Amino acid sequence: AQSVAQPEDQVNVAEGNPLTVKCTYSVSGNPYLFWYVQYPNRGLQFLLKYITGDNLVKGSYGFEAEFNKSQTSFHLKKPSALVSDSALYFCAVRVNNAGNNRKLIWGLGTSLAVNP
Amino acid sequence: SQTIHQWPATLVQPVGSPLSLECTVEGTSNPNLYWYRQAAGRGLQLLFYSVGIGQISSEVPQNLSASRPQDRQFILSSKKLLLSDSGFYLCAWTNFQGKNGEQFFGPGTRLTVL
Repeated sequence: AQSVAQPEDQVNVAEGNPLTVKCTYSVSGNPYLFWYVQYPNRGLQFLLKYITGDNLVKGSYGFEAEFNKSQTSFHLKKPSALVSDSALYFCAVRVNNAGNNRKLIWGLGTSLAVNP
Repeated sequence: SQTIHQWPATLVQPVGSPLSLECTVEGTSNPNLYWYRQAAGRGLQLLFYSVGIGQISSEVPQNLSASRPQDRQFILSSKKLLLSDSGFYLCAWTNFQGKNGEQFFGPGTRLTVL
């Protein structure tokens, strides 16, 4: 079965320190992977995606993610965290099947708290 | 550029009352459209998706229904709300025009059923 796991419900980091939000996946075929961020009472915002090519992808707001095929992981990273990065982060993988439904499988989310 | 709208932003309804939430997309054609519910500020539950006018797929059996009367309009409805219908409802879209499956979300509707 295709699935996404975000093993940490919450991540706490100090402002200025590097941050990592973890994501692992299980999918048939080549994975299409995505990260989103959600601020309180707002819709989700697309951050970045991995489709093919360079394993390190860069996205919005200084975030990047590293695709690791052998570990089936797609961890979100940022070299220096800001208090304003505090939010809920979701990892998702596109369902690979025939047809055009283009559904995504979502992780349960990781709450990031950046402390001043 | 593409824009997605949802309304209302917030809604408080009594148990047993009807519901109608609307989502519209601008700046794209023939999008795939999705309704999600998010409970307690955490995981997303896919409720319905549509690949075209009048084409609705239901992911979870419940007292909600969806309709797509126009290419860029997606409506979520209920005849009688339950307490368990409370949550944050999100509409999203994607299409095949240069996209790889990433979905783009509206601002959401916060529904409280009392």
